Amino acid sequence: AQKITQTQPGMFVQEKEAVTLDCTYDTSDPSYGLFWYKQPSSGEMIFLIYQGSYDQQNATEGRYSLNFQKARKSANLVISASQLGDSAMYFCAMRESGLGSGGSNYKLTFGKGTLLTVNP
Amino acid sequence: DAGVIQSPRHEVTEMGQEVTLRCKPISGHDYLFWYRQTMMRGLELLIYFNNNVPIDDSGMPEDRFSAKMPNASFSTLKIQPSEPRDSAVYFCASSLYWTGGAGDTQYFGPGTRLTVL
Repeated sequence: AQKITQTQPGMFVQEKEAVTLDCTYDTSDPSYGLFWYKQPSSGEMIFLIYQGSYDQQNATEGRYSLNFQKARKSANLVISASQLGDSAMYFCAMRESGLGSGGSNYKLTFGKGTLLTVNP
Repeated sequence: DAGVIQSPRHEVTEMGQEVTLRCKPISGHDYLFWYRQTMMRGLELLIYFNNNVPIDDSGMPEDRFSAKMPNASFSTLKIQPSEPRDSAVYFCASSLYWTGGAGDTQYFGPGTRLTVL
């Protein structure tokens, strides 16, 4: 089973509107972390936001917020007031200890990404 | 402060040649990671170091790949001999911590786009 699932290969949104990018995860670790990264066409990976599994509140960073639903194992990224510069590939990633699968080192596993296009 | 620095940004080589990718992590970061990104496999962790010591190299595809970190400010990923299937974007990332807490954010370099003909 995939550890990180991003079911939307592509999304379109109008400039200035909000958009939600879906991410579901699968882990048996009691403590884990969830990250979102942005990869524009230039190729670099840009960190956006982090949510810890024990965090009581949803993480927010400027126009980015993370809708964390632990029971559903989902960590959706919400981008408010979309801008043309938000057009990019977005990756959800999970850090887990690996203990559940017999490992002993923290690993970061990435989803396959969602390509967001912001239309003027 | 400078971010993670990688060189070269682009590399084109012929099958069988040796390729060396270089990385300078963010100063003060104790953890360094090497990833490979392809369309087919997405982003894969190849190896990571803590305080210059390799901790987990289970993602290194085969013996043709090797990585070193001789000091806190420099790491190399070497492919010898290179093959066309090694064509990918190789990212280096660093983090201050990698201990399961809130400070575990990895910061990525711009990547090296490798093409093996």
